[in-house]
Amino acid sequence: QKEVEQNSGPLSVPEGAIASLNCTYSDRGSQSFFWYRQYSGKSPELIMSIYSNGDKEDGRFTAQLNKASQYVSLLIRDSQPSDSATYLCAVNRSGGSYIPTFGRGTSLIVHP
Amino acid sequence: GAVVSQHPSRVICKSGTSVKIECRSLDFQATTMFWYRQFPKQSLMLMATSNEGSKATYEQGVEKDKFLINHASLTLSTLTVTSAHPEDSSFYICSASPPGAREQFFGPGTRLTVL
Repeated sequence: QKEVEQNSGPLSVPEGAIASLNCTYSDRGSQSFFWYRQYSGKSPELIMSIYSNGDKEDGRFTAQLNKASQYVSLLIRDSQPSDSATYLCAVNRSGGSYIPTFGRGTSLIVHP
Repeated sequence: GAVVSQHPSRVICKSGTSVKIECRSLDFQATTMFWYRQFPKQSLMLMATSNEGSKATYEQGVEKDKFLINHASLTLSTLTVTSAHPEDSSFYICSASPPGAREQFFGPGTRLTVL
């Protein structure tokens, strides 16, 4: 069973700070990586996708990927209380599959 | 982004009854859709892959006779929970991916409560 591991948290940061969320995965052949945000009682919403090693920035969000270390992270700059949610890391199965495996998610709390 | 809808958003039923949940891709065609279940404070668990025009592929441990999936068109997949029991109470979410896209887009989910 391929695994995606995340610290469940909660991760608590003050408003305006940088929140750093981490994820490791076991499937060495995975090529596609995603971060989803899930508010309580709602379904996941795609925030970032990353396919190549390095950084990818989109607004206040930066995804970082290191395939050699099997590690993917999400940085949220200038964190806002509205960013408080659970962040799910998803990794597509190897072999060109579009089937994602999800981590358990990290709960982020941004306090004013 | 791509839009996926689900109906109903919430359903309460008696134990032993069957419940049908619909998942639709509104602005794209989807040959494949996915069904997930999420218990409180747990991650998404893939139940099955719904394939248009052919049988669904179920994940290990998911009873195919209990969770019936039909993908009759390129925009509609249905999940029927047969003879529902209280332990089937959960948040059921579908997802789909437009042609060529690697990411999944999720429906809003269906909250099932079995009394």
